[in-house]
Amino acid sequence: DVKVTQSSRYLVKRTGEKVFLECVQDMDHENMFWYRQDPGLGLRLIYFSYDVKMKEKGDIPEGYSVSREKKERFSLILESASTNQTSMYLCASSPLWGGGRETQYFGPGTRLLVL
Amino acid sequence: GQQLNQSPQSMFIQEGEDVSMNCTSSSIFNTWLWYKQDPGEGPVLLIALYKAGELTSNGRLTAQFGITRKDSFLNISASIPSDVGIYFCAGQLGTSYGKLTFGQGTILTVHP
Repeated sequence: DVKVTQSSRYLVKRTGEKVFLECVQDMDHENMFWYRQDPGLGLRLIYFSYDVKMKEKGDIPEGYSVSREKKERFSLILESASTNQTSMYLCASSPLWGGGRETQYFGPGTRLLVL
Repeated sequence: GQQLNQSPQSMFIQEGEDVSMNCTSSSIFNTWLWYKQDPGEGPVLLIALYKAGELTSNGRLTAQFGITRKDSFLNISASIPSDVGIYFCAGQLGTSYGKLTFGQGTILTVHP
């Protein structure tokens, strides 16, 4: 079974702190994604990565950065956390999308509260 | 970015009833996916549709990929309490990156 793990299920941080959210997948997937989930808005893509050290902005990258130093690990960084970044953060991974039957596999999520 | 229009936003039903939800888009997608999210967990794939017109079942769940490639529906028959959760549709354009566009979600509540 594909497994995507996230370093924390719950985090409480203060405004202005630097926050690291870690994601690890064990299926040798090329693609990795970070989403945030807010009620009524569905899942919105923050950043994604299609290879080590490669990254692309998603729909809402402002206030976030990412790092992918190893294929299995994709980190989301909040340089200076703000209260409007309180949300559920979901990591996902997928193989290269080559016209087969690929899909995205999700981790359990990190619920972040910024005070 | 583009977004899928998913409806209804929420449903309150009695156990045993059938459920139907759908997603529409102004853009064409090559893949439609339906996910379910249990409270406090990440989304889990229910059904994947890869061909226009495709009708696929998974137990009590049935989903269809619209012929125009701009819509999809999900039906749940004879609902049970564990069907409670948020259901998301997602469309994929077919690039190698596998980026998905998600609907806003349908919150399903099932009363025993």
